[in-house]
Formats: sequence, structure tokens, C-alpha cells
Amino acid sequence: KNEVEQSPQNLTAQEGEFITINCSYSVGISALHWLQQHPGGGIVSLFMLSSGKKKHGRLIATINIQEKHSSLHITASHPRDSAVYICAVAIIQGAQKLVFGQGTRLTINP
Amino acid sequence: DTAVSQTPKYLVTQMGNDKSIKCEQNLGHDTMYWYKQDSKKFLKIMFSYNNKELIINETVPNRFSPKSPDKAHLNLHINSLELGDSAVYFCASSREGHVNSKPTSGNTIYFGEGSWLTVV
Repeated sequence: KNEVEQSPQNLTAQEGEFITINCSYSVGISALHWLQQHPGGGIVSLFMLSSGKKKHGRLIATINIQEKHSSLHITASHPRDSAVYICAVAIIQGAQKLVFGQGTRLTINP
Repeated sequence: DTAVSQTPKYLVTQMGNDKSIKCEQNLGHDTMYWYKQDSKKFLKIMFSYNNKELIINETVPNRFSPKSPDKAHLNLHINSLELGDSAVYFCASSREGHVNSKPTSGNTIYFGEGSWLTVV
């Protein structure tokens, strides 16, 4: 079993819908990253957080350290949000290692 | 200007060949990484360097040899390519030396565009 599990693996929604992608992890972490990978392949860092909540535009990321769980929300979703969203955790022991979830493929239909 | 650039973007080569992928970052970051994304789109770390010093070598075969001539460059050389090496290889960098430190803007990780390697 992977140390980082995301759900759902695939998500299709209509434009305007509120989107939630979940990430659960089983190891001690110092930070959690949400990344976005577009169909062209490039990867962009969306958020890095270790507690609470962060907001950037229509994107909101939350984390509950006690429950080892994080969510990424997208409000008023748009077709340009279609991408693979990847959760990654920075392992608390060792150096400079990120462990990735398998990704959630999001498709927003117009 | 591209922050993290890697070349080539696409590479098709025969089994047994030796190839290199180059990576450069113009962000002044201390730490650089190589990640491999397999056919199932799963990302895994291969190597990380901090100021030209190898920090992580994540059970990667000896055929893979990273080289960091300076902290702005981290190249990946692959000997005797095998079919299973076909994947997308991502270079990345972060300013601070430890991705697993407390999150600050310096620990944001920046990825290159990826290099699609196909071994035939």
C-alpha cells in the first residue's frame, strides 16, 4: 500500500461545480504539497502546507495533521482546471524526500 | 525565462545506448532533484543534490548517474538503456536545502517541463 493515497482517481464534473480531491497519508510529515499536472505534462506547485488552510483564487487546500488527511477544493470549476492533481508529502525523517500520491485526473466539461 | 529547463524534451533511442538529459535552473536554488514518472503516471524521486552534493539516491540502478557540475545544473546520464527505462523524467529545484523542513516560500518546488524517454 502506498504511503499516500488519493481519491478519487478520476473525477468528471460539469463547469461550475464544487470539486473536492482527497489525500490521506500514513507517515509522519513536515509538509504536504498539492501539484497540478496539465495534459502537456508540466507540473506546477499549487500549495505547500503543514497546518490549517490556504487559499489561492478559486483553490483551497486544507490539512488535518491529526487525521493525516488533506483536501483540495476548487470552487466554480472551469474546463481549464482539467488536469491531474497530485498530492505529495515531505517525509519527516531523512532528507529532502517527497512521496507522491497516484494523482487524481479531473475533467471539467463545459 | 524558464525557471527550470531540461533538454531534450523528447528522446527516442535503442536499447543498449547511453543518453543524457540536462537540467538547469536559473532561480539560484540550492537543491535540485530528478524524478521519474512511470507509465501509470506515478512520480518517484530518484536523486537529490544540495549544493552539488548528493543527498538522496533512491535505490536507482547504477546505470543512472547524476552529475552536478555546479548548483545550477543537474544532469542525468543513463548507460545501457533498457525498455523499462521508458518514462518521463522531471528535473526540479527548491531554494532551501530541505524539502521536508517547515513550509516556507523557499521550500516551494519548481519542476521542469519533463523529458519523455522512449527506449525501443
